[in-house]
Amino acid sequence: NAGVTQTPKFQVLKTGQSMTLQCAQDMNHEYMSWYRQDPGMGLRLIHYSVGAGITDQGEVPNGYNVSRSTTEDFPLRLLSAAPSQTSVYFCASSRKGYTGELFFGEGSRLTVL
Amino acid sequence: GESVGLHLPTLSVQEGDNSIINCAYSNSASDYFIWYKQESGKGPQFIIDIRSNMDKRQGQRVTVLLNKTVKHLSLQIAATQPGDSAVYFCAEFNDYKLSFGAGTTVTVRA
Repeated sequence: NAGVTQTPKFQVLKTGQSMTLQCAQDMNHEYMSWYRQDPGMGLRLIHYSVGAGITDQGEVPNGYNVSRSTTEDFPLRLLSAAPSQTSVYFCASSRKGYTGELFFGEGSRLTVL
Repeated sequence: GESVGLHLPTLSVQEGDNSIINCAYSNSASDYFIWYKQESGKGPQFIIDIRSNMDKRQGQRVTVLLNKTVKHLSLQIAATQPGDSAVYFCAEFNDYKLSFGAGTTVTVRA
């Protein structure tokens, strides 16, 4: 089992560029989410989805879009990158119901110049 | 073993000693409280959780204690090993959202 796979692992963008961080899971998990982690800080929830076709905002959603057309995939789109979005992004998934036990990907490190 | 009464960002532990990592939470309505471990360059990994109606739960070499009176959560690691060196996060689960604390970096001394 691959678990949660994130691509790319590293990305450098210029201010104003757009890009999509990909996330795929092969565990048939209903719940998926995106977090960002900044130096010395915990993880902050950006967006989450409780199932295909359903998404909702987390703590820091501004500047990010998500969609959930399939159970397996949950891409995160940056519409117009800003230096404040420089961070490490983690995708996570969980089985239906209780979602405190998340399975995380290895992370995508994004630098916006 | 070593312990911290308040949340501190770092904890240094002698190999073989017991570790206690503390966390204060904010939401009394949270359903579950969870501990995660994050090794350098990796994503967080689930360690153990405890439901809000419990006081104590034990896993393999780990014990989580929940004190709802003072909104305090702790993780005890028995016989700390070099592989336990990592950042440990407490988290609260409520309404489909998992909220993480700031983390404690644990360093194990040989």
